[in-house]
Amino acid sequence: SQQGEEDPQALSIQEGENATMNCSYKTSINNLQWYRQNSGRGLVHLILIRSNEREKHSGRLRVTLDTSKKSSSLLITASRAADTASYFCATWNAGGTSYGKLTFGQGTILTVHP
Amino acid sequence: ETGVTQSPTHLIKTRGQQVTLRCSSQSGHNTVSWYQQALGQGPQFIFQYYREEENGRGNFPPRFSGLQFPNYSSELNVNALELDDSALYLCASSLGAGNTEAFFGQGTRLTVV
Repeated sequence: SQQGEEDPQALSIQEGENATMNCSYKTSINNLQWYRQNSGRGLVHLILIRSNEREKHSGRLRVTLDTSKKSSSLLITASRAADTASYFCATWNAGGTSYGKLTFGQGTILTVHP
Repeated sequence: ETGVTQSPTHLIKTRGQQVTLRCSSQSGHNTVSWYQQALGQGPQFIFQYYREEENGRGNFPPRFSGLQFPNYSSELNVNALELDDSALYLCASSLGAGNTEAFFGQGTRLTVV
């Protein structure tokens, strides 16, 4: 089953604008990761934020994590047409003493118009 | 490029048949996890292999099975294929089974007719 919800399901913006995607989850986590997927192909890891971190930056990406609200947001600044893709948040949960798994949301489809 | 390769890229099978999908993990990674992604959905965890042993399993029936080899490459086998098995199958490699990022391959698109 999916861990939580992503909002919005689809986002359409113009090049140069900022894009914000939100993710909510249900259970306690060790970390939360954001991935990008182009045209139903492989997932590309964007950024990982640990449960004891509140904000993290990587280039044009900014991720926040609020564990009290069980939510995270991904901000892409100064978007480009090449940012058009599906974006997924995934929470990493320890499934037992020796392994963990990623639990994904349903994703946000971002379209950036030139 | 993540260094994780999957084969084949596309596959069409008939209901009831068996299929084997392959994954080569990134150099130095000893853990491979498999995910199923249905159209329009996020990936769902099938199972994980760590040092050649199944190390955890999601909510998938026993007809989904796997192997990991000494070089840490992995196979996913699905028996008695059903139409609902049509999906993108992704493998991800990581260093250790613990709290770390995963590197995904490009996936195998399986269509069951």
